[in-house]
Amino acid sequence: AQTVTQSQPEMSVQEAETVTLSCTYDTSENNYYLFWYKQPPSRQMILVIRQEAYKQQNATENRFSVNFQKAAKSFSLKISDSQLGDTAMYFCAFMDQETSGSRLTFGEGTQLTVNP
Amino acid sequence: AAGVIQSPRHLIKEKRETATLKCYPIPRHDTVYWYQQGPGQDPQFLISFYEKMQSDKGSIPDRFSAQQFSDYHSELNMSSLELGDSALYFCASSRNQGYGYTFGSGTRLTVV
Repeated sequence: AQTVTQSQPEMSVQEAETVTLSCTYDTSENNYYLFWYKQPPSRQMILVIRQEAYKQQNATENRFSVNFQKAAKSFSLKISDSQLGDTAMYFCAFMDQETSGSRLTFGEGTQLTVNP
Repeated sequence: AAGVIQSPRHLIKEKRETATLKCYPIPRHDTVYWYQQGPGQDPQFLISFYEKMQSDKGSIPDRFSAQQFSDYHSELNMSSLELGDSALYFCASSRNQGYGYTFGSGTRLTVV
């Protein structure tokens, strides 16, 4: 079974600075997808960014970018120019359609606080 | 744009009662998922439906059942409720799984 590990339960950053959230995963599969979801205090789950394992280019969405290291099974999220609205729980998630359908396996989450 | 609609938003039930949660996916999304998120935990996969047929099953208790109807809405039925069933229940839908899901706002179930 696949596992996803987020080793940072909590992180904080000053507004306008950059922060990186870590995620590692374990799988024997070669084709899969990785995601970062954001869960603000409203508890809504919001897709932040996605990465296809067969693409070497790191995904970027505005202030959010990933560092995908397939060999190391690492998928970190970098948030640039942090804003107060970025305060949320961030979940790394894995999807392998070949062996586990399209279910998402989530990490334990990292609570990010952006300070003014 | 239309989102995934879940009802009710909040539900309080007593132990041993039954609860029904409803989910209306985004139009033309062919897959519906149910997840359970306990307090301070990550979401756990319960069950999914593709074109109204059960497609995958996770750690869903036997007391729970779900189905997807002809209009594509889905219902999660939970019987003999226990205190430990208190959680946030998410429904999500997708058209192309590789692009990720769209989650609903969740139903917060409290069992007292």
